[in-house]
Amino acid sequence: GQQVMQIPQYQHVQEGEDFTTYCNSSTTLSNIQWYKQRPGGHPVFLIQLVKSGEVKKQKRLTFQFGEAKKNSSLHITATQTTDVGTYFCAGRSFGNEKLTFGTGTRLTIIP
Amino acid sequence: NAGVTQTPKFQVLKTGQSMTLQCAQDMNHNSMYWYRQDPGMGLRLIYYSASEGTTDKGEVPNGYNVSRLNKREFSLRLESAAPSQTSVYFCASSEVGGRTYEQYFGPGTRLTVT
Repeated sequence: GQQVMQIPQYQHVQEGEDFTTYCNSSTTLSNIQWYKQRPGGHPVFLIQLVKSGEVKKQKRLTFQFGEAKKNSSLHITATQTTDVGTYFCAGRSFGNEKLTFGTGTRLTIIP
Repeated sequence: NAGVTQTPKFQVLKTGQSMTLQCAQDMNHNSMYWYRQDPGMGLRLIYYSASEGTTDKGEVPNGYNVSRLNKREFSLRLESAAPSQTSVYFCASSEVGGRTYEQYFGPGTRLTVT
């Protein structure tokens, strides 16, 4: 079945440093979504990418979808304490409404 | 709108006991999902329901049953709880047919089986 791997599993950064998490799928995806889960909370949708090579920005967050639609990344510029949490990618195959979630990257910020 | 609600928030069971986790959504979504979240494993799909009256197995269905009672409610039942079912359980819902199938999650149920 479809597998979605995410690296790194953990990332500790100083406040103000940049952060990147990478997502790789074993199969070509129709689209990919990103979610953020604050400590003790539930996943919250951030964005969806659909087109090959697509890049979207939300303030300090930049999301990319690979040309082959098998990988994606999330980059945060100048991290802030509010960025703390676990970031999940979730891929959807063609003709399938189910999402396969990556294992997540847990971001902690050192003030 | 309350979004997606789940009850209970916390539960401790002894091995062999049964319980039902309740989930309801007020967004008129067709699709509903049950996930479990374990450290280092991400979110794994247990069961999902594409519409009222239909249910399908996900990645880890063993030991669980579900009921799509109506369009709003989707319950998850553990017939005979095992320590391996200690986890955080999330219910989610989404619309079908739109451009974005984002999933809305409930607050979760933290289950411990001793």
